[in-house]
Amino acid sequence: EAQVTQNPRYLITVTGKKLTVTCSQNMNHEYMSWYRQDPGLGLRQIYYSMNVEVTDKGDVPEGYKVSRKEKRNFPLILESPSPNQTSLYFCASSYSSGTGGKNGYTFGSGTRLTVV
Amino acid sequence: QQQVKQSPQSLIVQKGGISIINCAYENTAFDYFPWYQQFPGKGPALLIAIRPDVSEKKEGRFTISFNKSAKQFSLHIMDSQPGDSATYFCAAIGALGGGFKTIFGAGTRLFVKA
Repeated sequence: EAQVTQNPRYLITVTGKKLTVTCSQNMNHEYMSWYRQDPGLGLRQIYYSMNVEVTDKGDVPEGYKVSRKEKRNFPLILESPSPNQTSLYFCASSYSSGTGGKNGYTFGSGTRLTVV
Repeated sequence: QQQVKQSPQSLIVQKGGISIINCAYENTAFDYFPWYQQFPGKGPALLIAIRPDVSEKKEGRFTISFNKSAKQFSLHIMDSQPGDSATYFCAAIGALGGGFKTIFGAGTRLFVKA
């Protein structure tokens, strides 16, 4: 089944403890992206990657890192999480870079992160 | 300049009625405007999309109307059904500031009463 897999689905952590949220897609998509979803703010883009080894900042990159060493994986790293990073995170991918093409972005099921 | 304003925040419609959600953008560099539908516990999924060279696009019960001069676009759901109850996000995509940006609206929670 074509999908974007995020892990973990739920995570509670403490301030300052480094964490990684993994994202993997099995559709050979070139474009991958991370978003955070907060009530009243919608989805805000954190980072995106047009292809392997090519990443760029979205609207809210502060406090996050990403890497794209392989086409299928695009992990999101929080080096020193803070409570304001408590949110619902989505990874997305698409074959057509940028717009998502006729099928749009394929989103993962989300990771709910709580930082205490 | 990169904001996308979406309204209303929430909407209640009777079964069979028309649901209308509006979005406005500011930056004319945006050139692709999709709508995404999200059910609870799921990621968003593409519903319908339009480019600014077209004023209207229809797919089944879903229609996008696009007003380039006003920098506004809207989603119309005809014959709304309880199964349409979900959160809807508009988005604007384009090459901005040397990169490719996707800006989503804040979302509209639609509830269709049976």
